[in-house]
Amino acid sequence: GDSVTQMEGPVTLSEEAFLTINCTYTATGYPSLFWYVQYPGEGLQLLLKATKADDKGSNKGFEATYRKETTSFHLEKGSVQVSDSAVYFCALSPTSSGGSNYKLTFGKGTLLTVNP
Amino acid sequence: DTGVSQDPRHKITKRGQNVTFRCDPISEHNRLYWYRQTLGQGPEFLTYFQNEAQLEKSRLLSDRFSAERPKGSFSTLEIQRTEQGDSAMYLCASSPGTANQPQHFGDGTRLSIL
Repeated sequence: GDSVTQMEGPVTLSEEAFLTINCTYTATGYPSLFWYVQYPGEGLQLLLKATKADDKGSNKGFEATYRKETTSFHLEKGSVQVSDSAVYFCALSPTSSGGSNYKLTFGKGTLLTVNP
Repeated sequence: DTGVSQDPRHKITKRGQNVTFRCDPISEHNRLYWYRQTLGQGPEFLTYFQNEAQLEKSRLLSDRFSAERPKGSFSTLEIQRTEQGDSAMYLCASSPGTANQPQHFGDGTRLSIL
């Protein structure tokens, strides 16, 4: 079945440091890929997405590129802020299925703490 | 766009009691999903609806769990005879009816079983 493996946390960085959170996936066909962010006590918010190979998703200074050859979708940010402290989830969704269930399969999440 | 709304935010109950959660999706979204998230893990798929039809249920959804979406709008998730292992965050998400569209999540209902 589909699966997502992401970098174990926690990750602790100083403000303005460079961030990379690795994500690799296993899926049939060509899934859509997502990064979601979860702040304490809240639900998940979509951070960015990519729907086909070589697409780059970007939002709020975060970027991730859909790499079919390495089945990866690593999250990067050039300069993190304290407000970026949260749990980050990589996820995939099938783009075609027997029915119409585009359910998300998530990684375990990576806790990021940014210190001032 | 008022977002996905879930109620209650927190539920504390004794083992063996029944609980019911409600989810109000984004109004124009015809797909509604339920996920369960335990501490330190990513959300896991439970079930989904297209309009009022429940089209797939995960093996995680034992026969103590039932979900409905009677008019294709809000949905309820009921757990009967709760067990300690049911303690988790229950998340609802909705999306439009096409592929490649992201799911929008509510803030979840945190269930604690005493």
